[in-house]
Amino acid sequence: GAGVSQSPSNKVTEKGKDVELRCDPISGHTALYWYRQSLGQGLEFLIYFQGNSAPDKSGLPSDRFSAERTGGSVSTLTIQRTQQEDSAVYLCASSPMGQVNQPQHFGDGTRLSIL
Amino acid sequence: AQTVTQSQPEMSVQEAETVTLSCTYDTSESDYYLFWYKQPPSRQMILVIRQEAYKQQNATENRFSVNFQKAAKSFSLKISDSQLGDAAMYFCAVTREGSQGNLIFGKGTKLSVKP
Repeated sequence: GAGVSQSPSNKVTEKGKDVELRCDPISGHTALYWYRQSLGQGLEFLIYFQGNSAPDKSGLPSDRFSAERTGGSVSTLTIQRTQQEDSAVYLCASSPMGQVNQPQHFGDGTRLSIL
Repeated sequence: AQTVTQSQPEMSVQEAETVTLSCTYDTSESDYYLFWYKQPPSRQMILVIRQEAYKQQNATENRFSVNFQKAAKSFSLKISDSQLGDAAMYFCAVTREGSQGNLIFGKGTKLSVKP
């Protein structure tokens, strides 16, 4: 496992359904980030996990969005009652300790399309 | 809100020529980090170069270099001897105020390289 792994690569679902997106960070990385990239836009921060600390959820756009990180490794981003505006690429990144001088390593993202 | 501005939505360069991508940002921090990421069509964000704000010397990575003007809050990326593989979206990012590694991204510049 060399890099950050995300699944699925693409997800198409109907409006109103719930979706789960998975991120498997680089082994040993304690910091994990979720971002959303809408068409033609930069990355929008969603949530940040660092070790066993409480996550920084300040970027989550609504209470339909939640994320968890089990055992300090794999993370799942859940979107409930999806809306068309949720269509975007969801990117996950990890870094060794989440410090400002450490670059983030990104996965290939999940492209979510809401019909 | 903290912002990163990339004023050039699209740029084009002839193969082997030099191109400069601009970026301005705002922050109230005195010490922070700046990054340039490249995103090819594969979607994966790849770190190109980073700069520590307290270092006056501009960072260089092979054909990539930056012009960091701290007082002007400007952080431009210069690509020398452009190659076809350099074609991608380029995103400028700055560490978020008060964060532990969270980044604020610009909206990106799409670079095309002409053979």
